[in-house]
Parts: sequence; C-alpha cells; structure tokens
Amino acid sequence: DGGITQSPKYLFRKEGQNVTLSCEQNLNHDAMYWYRQDPGQGLRLIYYSQIVNDFQKGDIAEGYSVSREKKESFPLTVTSAQKNPTAFYLCASTVAGGRYTGELFFGEGSRLTVL
Amino acid sequence: GENVEQHPSTLSVQEGDSAVIKCTYSDSASNYFPWYKQELGKGPQLIIDIRSNVGEKKDQRIAVTLNKTAKHFSLHITETQPEDSAVYFCAETNTGNQFYFGTGTSLTVIP
Repeated sequence: DGGITQSPKYLFRKEGQNVTLSCEQNLNHDAMYWYRQDPGQGLRLIYYSQIVNDFQKGDIAEGYSVSREKKESFPLTVTSAQKNPTAFYLCASTVAGGRYTGELFFGEGSRLTVL
Repeated sequence: GENVEQHPSTLSVQEGDSAVIKCTYSDSASNYFPWYKQELGKGPQLIIDIRSNVGEKKDQRIAVTLNKTAKHFSLHITETQPEDSAVYFCAETNTGNQFYFGTGTSLTVIP
C-alpha cells in the first residue's frame, strides 16, 4: 500500500545528542514536510522540500536540519542546538507544483523524548 | 506564518447531537481548506476539504462550509457517534507550498 512511513515511532535522547528521524514515502509526491506538534498547539512547520536537493525553512527551523537526496526520503535531524526538542514530529507529503493543491498525507508520527 | 484561528479548543456533545468547529483565516488568496482528524498517538487524516470556488461540501455526516468574504470556514458533524471523538484541525493554503493549521479542537462525544 502507498503511504508515508516514519521511524522510529518512539525515541529517547540524552541532552547534547543529535538524533535523526526517518521519513519515507512511496506516493511519488514531490513535496515533503516536517511538522512539530506540542500539546495545545497546532502543527508548526519546521522544514519543507518541493524538489530533490532543495528545501526551505519553515517557522521553527532553528535547531533542526534536513536533507532531500532522494524523492522518497526526507530525514530530519534534531540537533543539540534545539533547546526544547521533546515533541511529536509529523512528516507529510503532497503533489506539488502548478495550480492544483493536493491532499496533504501524514505519517504516523515520531515521539521524541529528551531525558 | 499565516494566522488561522480555530474555535472552540474543546467541545463535548451528546451522542446523536451535532458538532460545529469554526476557523478563520487572514490571507484572502487562500484557496484550499482541508479538515483533519487526529486520533491519539496517530497522524492526522484528511476527512473533508473544500476549494475556494465552492461554498459547501458534504460527505455523509460531515460537511464543510466556506465564507470567503468573511474569511471563515466551518466543519459540521451531524448525528455524532463515540468514534467521532478525536482532535480536529483545520488548515489553509494558497499555493500548496505551505499549509497553515489551526490549534485544534478536542471533540468528545458522550454516549
């Protein structure tokens, strides 16, 4: 079945460590996104990518980094510079370009806890 | 980013009653308005969407209305059931490059 796979589902990190969250999609979507979700808040955009080898910062990019070497993959690294990384992270994808705005599909999320 | 306000933040209804959630937005160029349902520990799933050239759309017990002049859109769930209990998010975009989300409504349907 087509969809978005995020891993790991749960991740624990010690302060000062970098961690990488995986996001893979087989929907042939050009655009991919990373959102952060905190209790009582909406989804906040971290980074997004419209095409391979290109990505843009969202509203809360500080302390995060991404890469887009393949169309199917958009990993997110939470660096030690992120002051409050404990959160639920969601990856999403959609068709991109032109006048048509397609459905945004989400993965099941990764919950990161800093110990 | 764009400002999307969503109300109420929590909503409790008796089973069989209707539930209405409202969102307002600020960008007059916005042209696509999806609604997502998120169950605990899972990713959001699209339940209904509407484009700017349409004023209302219905899918069984769920409907969405859009008022472009007033810049607001609403989700209507009729004949609510316990399985409708979840967090609902509205969103909007004008290009498909960036989606802006409301802060969510936690809906509880009381059996």
